[in-house]
Formats: sequence, C-alpha cells, structure tokens
Amino acid sequence: DAGVTQSPTHLIKTRGQQVTLRCSPKSGHDTVSWYQQALGQGPQFIFQYYEEEERQRGNFPDRFSGHQFPNYSSELNVNALLLGDSALYLCASSWPSTGVRGYTFGSGTRLTVV
Amino acid sequence: KQEVTQIPAALSVPEGENLVLNCSFTDSAIYNLQWFRQDPGKGLTSLLLIQSSQREQTSGRLNASLDKSSGRSTLYIAASQPGDSATYLCAVSSGGGADGLTFGKGTHLIIQP
Repeated sequence: DAGVTQSPTHLIKTRGQQVTLRCSPKSGHDTVSWYQQALGQGPQFIFQYYEEEERQRGNFPDRFSGHQFPNYSSELNVNALLLGDSALYLCASSWPSTGVRGYTFGSGTRLTVV
Repeated sequence: KQEVTQIPAALSVPEGENLVLNCSFTDSAIYNLQWFRQDPGKGLTSLLLIQSSQREQTSGRLNASLDKSSGRSTLYIAASQPGDSATYLCAVSSGGGADGLTFGKGTHLIIQP
C-alpha cells in the first residue's frame, strides 16, 4: 500500500522564480494538506484541499496557491520566491476529511532558494 | 490561536532508560492529538493518535496519554534504544479537523549506546 508520495525530493530555485511541488495521497485518502517546515521548527499549516476546493488556509500569503485534481492528487505553487521560502515542504493526506483517523505524511520536498 | 509547546527541547540519555516527553497546548477544545517521529531531513512518521475522548494509546514500547482539561499530553518511551534517536513532534487538531494540525517545535532525542 503506497503511502504519500511527493516530488521532487530536492529543488533549487532562484529568488523571484516560481515553483510547483506535487503530492499523491495515500490510497483511499481524499483530503490533502500542505505544511512548511523551516529548519529547527515544527511544520506550519499552509492549506488543506478537499473535493478540489481549498477548505482552510493558514497564515501564508497569496503567493502560495494550490490545486487538487479529481484523482485527489495535489500541487503546491509558490510565486515570486523569497530566500525565506527555503524549507522542507510536507504533504499530508487523510480520510475522512475531518482527520479523525489522523494524518499520513510524505517524505517532503526540500526547497532551497538562492 | 492554538499554541503547542514541547519540553524538553533536547534530551540525551543512555540506552535502556525509560523517558517521558511532554507536550502542552493552550486551547483544550481539540479534536485529536497525534505524536510523530522525524528523522533528520525526512518526513513525519505517525506514532500514536489519541482522540479527544480518549485518555491514552499504546503501541509497543510507546504510551501516550492525554489530559485535555489541563492541556497536556505525554509520550512515554520504555527501554530506550539507539534507534529511537530522532525528533519527536506533538500535533493537535482543532476545529473539527478543518484547521489543519498545530505542531510544537519538537523534542530532539539522542539515545547513547
């Protein structure tokens, strides 16, 4: 049973560029959440997608946007990259959408902005 | 706004010891609480999930307790092993699960052989 799959595993981008990160949820899961984890910090909630809609959003600017596809996979897009966007980006999936059964996390995408 | 604090921030103990990691949260109206393990540069591995109506959960050498009224949870690790070395993260879910998880900064645990 495949868990949460994220791609790419590592990425280096230049300040001002745009980036797209991808996530495939665990089989049977329909809800996808994205988190940003800076070095030495706990993950911070970016947003959650359910039924192809953004259901809830954390305290992140509009430069961060996302999408969920009919097969429940998701993308995280970040525009106008800043040096401070360098972090580990984690995707988590769940079912049902309430998270009553907990969340399963992927291995993350390490984004470095130079 | 929910805030989660984990104490201690770092812990180093000899192999074989029993240890307790602490997690506290400011808003007791949680939906559930989840403990995760994170190895350096890696994703999160779920260890234990406690629903708001439960008092504890056990898995092997791990036991997690929840006291919602006081805003506290503890993770007990019995007979620690070098392979237990990792960062342990506590996360709470609020708002019926729609608000995402709020994490603490973690406890960095080193088990000395």
